[in-house]
Amino acid sequence: LAKTTQPISMDSYEGQEVNITCSHNNIATNDYITWYQQFPSQGPRFIIQGYKTKVTNEVASLFIPADRKSSTLSLPRVSLSDTAVYYCLVGGFSGSARQLTFGSGTQLTVLP
Amino acid sequence: DTEVTQTPKHLVMGMTNKKSLKCEQHMGHRAMYWYKQKAKKPPELMFVYSYEKLSINESVPSRFSPECPNSSLLNLHLHALQPEDSALYLCASSQRLAGGDGELFFGEGSRLTVL
Repeated sequence: LAKTTQPISMDSYEGQEVNITCSHNNIATNDYITWYQQFPSQGPRFIIQGYKTKVTNEVASLFIPADRKSSTLSLPRVSLSDTAVYYCLVGGFSGSARQLTFGSGTQLTVLP
Repeated sequence: DTEVTQTPKHLVMGMTNKKSLKCEQHMGHRAMYWYKQKAKKPPELMFVYSYEKLSINESVPSRFSPECPNSSLLNLHLHALQPEDSALYLCASSQRLAGGDGELFFGEGSRLTVL
Protein backbone atom coordinates (compact mmCIF):
# COMPACT_ATOMS: atom_id res chain seq x y z
CA LEU A 1 0.00 0.00 0.00
CA ALA A 2 1.63 3.18 -1.20
CA LYS A 3 1.94 5.81 1.52
CA THR A 4 2.04 9.42 0.42
CA THR A 5 3.57 12.52 1.97
CA GLN A 6 2.59 16.08 1.10
CA PRO A 7 3.35 19.50 2.61
CA ILE A 8 0.73 20.43 5.17
CA SER A 9 0.17 23.90 3.82
CA MET A 10 1.27 26.37 1.16
CA ASP A 11 0.56 30.05 0.57
CA SER A 12 0.58 31.77 -2.79
CA TYR A 13 -0.56 34.99 -4.39
CA GLU A 14 -3.08 35.42 -7.13
CA GLY A 15 -1.66 34.96 -10.60
CA GLN A 16 1.29 32.86 -9.49
CA GLU A 17 2.04 29.27 -10.48
CA VAL A 18 1.78 26.81 -7.61
CA ASN A 19 3.56 23.47 -7.45
CA ILE A 20 2.55 20.88 -4.86
CA THR A 21 4.72 17.81 -4.52
CA CYS A 22 3.65 14.40 -3.25
CA SER A 23 6.14 11.71 -2.25
CA HIS A 24 5.20 8.07 -2.73
CA ASN A 25 8.37 6.07 -2.33
CA ASN A 26 6.79 2.61 -2.40
CA ILE A 27 4.47 3.14 -5.34
CA ALA A 28 3.63 -0.14 -7.07
CA THR A 29 4.11 -0.86 -10.75
CA ASN A 30 0.43 -0.62 -11.63
CA ASP A 31 -0.44 2.32 -9.34
CA TYR A 32 -1.75 5.54 -10.85
CA ILE A 33 -1.39 8.96 -9.25
CA THR A 34 -4.49 11.09 -8.94
CA TRP A 35 -5.02 14.53 -7.48
CA TYR A 36 -8.23 15.80 -5.96
CA GLN A 37 -9.34 19.24 -4.76
CA GLN A 38 -11.63 19.66 -1.78
CA PHE A 39 -13.46 22.72 -0.51
CA PRO A 40 -14.85 22.83 3.05
CA SER A 41 -17.91 20.63 3.59
CA GLN A 42 -17.82 19.35 0.01
CA GLY A 43 -16.69 16.10 -1.54
CA PRO A 44 -13.30 15.95 -3.26
CA ARG A 45 -13.24 16.79 -6.94
CA PHE A 46 -10.98 15.10 -9.51
CA ILE A 47 -8.26 17.34 -10.94
CA ILE A 48 -5.86 15.17 -12.89
CA GLN A 49 -4.43 11.65 -13.13
CA GLY A 50 -1.24 10.23 -14.51
CA TYR A 51 1.02 7.19 -14.63
CA LYS A 52 4.33 8.58 -15.86
CA THR A 53 5.95 11.64 -17.46
CA LYS A 54 3.67 14.63 -17.88
CA VAL A 55 -0.07 15.03 -18.14
CA THR A 56 -1.85 18.31 -18.81
CA ASN A 57 -5.50 19.26 -18.86
CA GLU A 58 -7.41 22.52 -18.85
CA VAL A 59 -6.84 23.19 -15.14
CA ALA A 60 -3.50 21.63 -14.16
CA SER A 61 -0.39 19.72 -15.09
CA LEU A 62 1.03 16.65 -13.42
CA PHE A 63 4.72 15.89 -13.56
CA ILE A 64 5.93 12.39 -12.71
CA PRO A 65 9.66 11.58 -12.84
CA ALA A 66 10.95 8.36 -14.29
CA ASP A 67 11.28 6.63 -10.90
CA ARG A 68 7.66 7.59 -10.05
CA LYS A 69 8.55 8.05 -6.40
CA SER A 70 7.07 11.52 -6.39
CA SER A 71 4.71 13.66 -8.40
CA THR A 72 4.10 17.40 -8.71
CA LEU A 73 0.77 19.06 -9.30
CA SER A 74 1.17 22.38 -11.06
CA LEU A 75 -1.60 24.97 -10.98
CA PRO A 76 -0.97 27.86 -13.38
CA ARG A 77 -2.00 31.40 -12.41
CA VAL A 78 -3.99 30.59 -9.27
CA SER A 79 -6.93 32.67 -8.14
CA LEU A 80 -8.60 33.14 -4.76
CA SER A 81 -11.09 30.40 -5.65
CA ASP A 82 -8.24 27.87 -5.80
CA THR A 83 -7.94 28.05 -2.01
CA ALA A 84 -8.68 24.48 -1.01
CA VAL A 85 -7.13 21.24 0.22
CA TYR A 86 -5.33 19.24 -2.44
CA TYR A 87 -4.97 15.48 -2.03
CA CYS A 88 -2.58 13.14 -3.73
CA LEU A 89 -4.06 9.67 -4.17
CA VAL A 90 -2.06 6.62 -5.18
CA GLY A 91 -3.70 3.31 -5.88
CA GLY A 92 -3.92 0.23 -7.94
CA PHE A 93 -4.33 -3.49 -7.60
CA SER A 94 -3.15 -5.01 -4.39
CA GLY A 95 -3.73 -8.69 -4.82
CA SER A 96 -7.46 -9.07 -5.21
CA ALA A 97 -8.30 -5.66 -3.78
CA ARG A 98 -7.79 -2.16 -5.05
CA GLN A 99 -6.88 0.24 -2.32
CA LEU A 100 -7.24 3.98 -2.45
CA THR A 101 -5.26 5.92 0.09
CA PHE A 102 -5.49 9.66 0.32
CA GLY A 103 -2.42 11.57 1.39
CA SER A 104 -2.63 13.97 4.32
CA GLY A 105 -3.52 16.79 1.98
CA THR A 106 -2.06 20.22 1.35
CA GLN A 107 -4.00 23.30 2.37
CA LEU A 108 -3.37 25.86 -0.36
CA THR A 109 -4.22 29.43 0.56
CA VAL A 110 -4.23 31.97 -2.26
CA LEU A 111 -3.77 35.53 -1.08
CA PRO A 112 -4.83 38.68 -2.96
CA ASP B 1 -26.01 13.57 -15.24
CA THR B 2 -22.59 13.51 -13.55
CA GLU B 3 -23.77 13.79 -9.97
CA VAL B 4 -23.62 11.67 -6.89
CA THR B 5 -26.50 12.62 -4.62
CA GLN B 6 -26.35 12.04 -0.89
CA THR B 7 -29.18 12.37 1.60
CA PRO B 8 -29.61 13.69 4.17
CA LYS B 9 -27.07 16.52 4.09
CA HIS B 10 -27.18 16.74 7.88
CA LEU B 11 -28.16 14.12 10.44
CA VAL B 12 -28.22 14.31 14.22
CA MET B 13 -28.81 11.08 16.09
CA GLY B 14 -28.61 9.67 19.55
CA MET B 15 -26.48 6.67 20.41
CA THR B 16 -29.51 4.38 20.51
CA ASN B 17 -31.02 5.50 17.22
CA LYS B 18 -31.08 3.64 13.93
CA LYS B 19 -30.69 5.79 10.84
CA SER B 20 -29.50 5.43 7.27
CA LEU B 21 -27.47 7.49 4.85
CA LYS B 22 -28.37 7.22 1.18
CA CYS B 23 -26.36 7.69 -1.98
CA GLU B 24 -27.54 7.63 -5.57
CA GLN B 25 -25.85 7.92 -8.95
CA HIS B 26 -27.21 7.60 -12.47
CA MET B 27 -23.95 7.55 -14.39
CA GLY B 28 -24.00 3.80 -14.94
CA HIS B 29 -21.07 3.38 -12.59
CA ARG B 30 -20.52 -0.13 -11.25
CA ALA B 31 -18.33 0.70 -8.24
CA MET B 32 -19.49 2.68 -5.22
CA TYR B 33 -17.64 3.72 -2.12
CA TRP B 34 -18.21 5.00 1.41
CA TYR B 35 -15.60 7.25 2.97
CA LYS B 36 -15.50 8.84 6.41
CA GLN B 37 -13.85 12.20 6.93
CA LYS B 38 -13.10 13.83 10.27
CA ALA B 39 -12.35 17.53 10.49
CA LYS B 40 -9.03 18.54 8.92
CA LYS B 41 -8.24 14.92 8.02
CA PRO B 42 -8.22 13.13 4.67
CA PRO B 43 -11.11 10.87 3.69
CA GLU B 44 -10.75 7.32 5.00
CA LEU B 45 -12.04 4.46 2.92
CA MET B 46 -14.73 2.38 4.66
CA PHE B 47 -16.42 0.16 2.10
CA VAL B 48 -16.26 -0.56 -1.61
CA TYR B 49 -18.95 -2.21 -3.70
CA SER B 50 -18.31 -3.54 -7.15
CA TYR B 51 -21.22 -4.78 -9.24
CA GLU B 52 -23.42 -4.63 -6.14
CA LYS B 53 -21.13 -6.93 -4.19
CA LEU B 54 -19.10 -5.85 -1.19
CA SER B 55 -15.51 -5.87 -2.37
CA ILE B 56 -13.66 -4.09 0.41
CA ASN B 57 -14.46 -3.62 4.09
CA GLU B 58 -11.69 -1.65 5.77
CA SER B 59 -12.27 -3.28 9.18
CA VAL B 60 -15.19 -1.00 9.88
CA PRO B 61 -17.13 -1.64 13.14
CA SER B 62 -20.38 -3.56 12.71
CA ARG B 63 -22.41 -0.57 13.89
CA PHE B 64 -21.93 0.60 10.28
CA SER B 65 -23.74 -1.66 7.84
CA PRO B 66 -23.52 -0.98 4.10
CA GLU B 67 -26.08 -2.08 1.56
CA CYS B 68 -26.16 -1.86 -2.21
CA PRO B 69 -29.74 -2.61 -3.35
CA ASN B 70 -28.92 -1.99 -7.01
CA SER B 71 -26.21 -0.49 -9.17
CA SER B 72 -27.48 3.06 -8.61
CA LEU B 73 -28.02 3.04 -4.87
CA LEU B 74 -25.78 2.71 -1.86
CA ASN B 75 -26.95 2.88 1.73
CA LEU B 76 -25.10 3.07 5.01
CA HIS B 77 -27.15 1.86 7.96
CA LEU B 78 -26.19 3.28 11.32
CA HIS B 79 -26.96 1.74 14.69
CA ALA B 80 -25.64 2.27 18.20
CA LEU B 81 -23.10 4.83 17.09
CA GLN B 82 -20.68 6.61 19.36
CA PRO B 83 -20.00 10.35 19.55
CA GLU B 84 -16.59 9.74 17.95
CA ASP B 85 -18.42 8.53 14.84
CA SER B 86 -19.47 12.11 14.17
CA ALA B 87 -17.96 13.01 10.79
CA LEU B 88 -18.66 13.83 7.17
CA TYR B 89 -19.63 10.65 5.33
CA LEU B 90 -18.80 10.77 1.67
CA CYS B 91 -20.15 8.55 -1.06
CA ALA B 92 -18.28 8.12 -4.32
CA SER B 93 -18.70 6.17 -7.51
CA SER B 94 -16.53 5.20 -10.44
CA GLN B 95 -17.08 3.50 -13.74
CA ARG B 96 -15.41 0.42 -12.32
CA LEU B 97 -13.12 -0.27 -9.40
CA ALA B 98 -10.74 2.67 -9.47
CA GLY B 99 -7.33 3.10 -7.90
CA GLY B 100 -5.71 2.28 -11.14
CA ASP B 101 -6.84 4.51 -13.92
CA GLY B 102 -10.24 5.99 -13.27
CA GLU B 103 -11.90 8.91 -11.59
CA LEU B 104 -13.88 8.93 -8.38
CA PHE B 105 -17.00 11.07 -8.40
CA PHE B 106 -17.88 12.24 -4.90
CA GLY B 107 -21.14 13.43 -3.44
CA GLU B 108 -21.37 16.49 -1.21
CA GLY B 109 -21.42 14.30 1.89
CA SER B 110 -23.71 13.74 4.85
CA ARG B 111 -22.68 15.54 8.02
CA LEU B 112 -23.40 13.19 10.92
CA THR B 113 -23.51 14.28 14.55
CA VAL B 114 -23.91 11.63 17.24
CA LEU B 115 -25.06 12.94 20.61
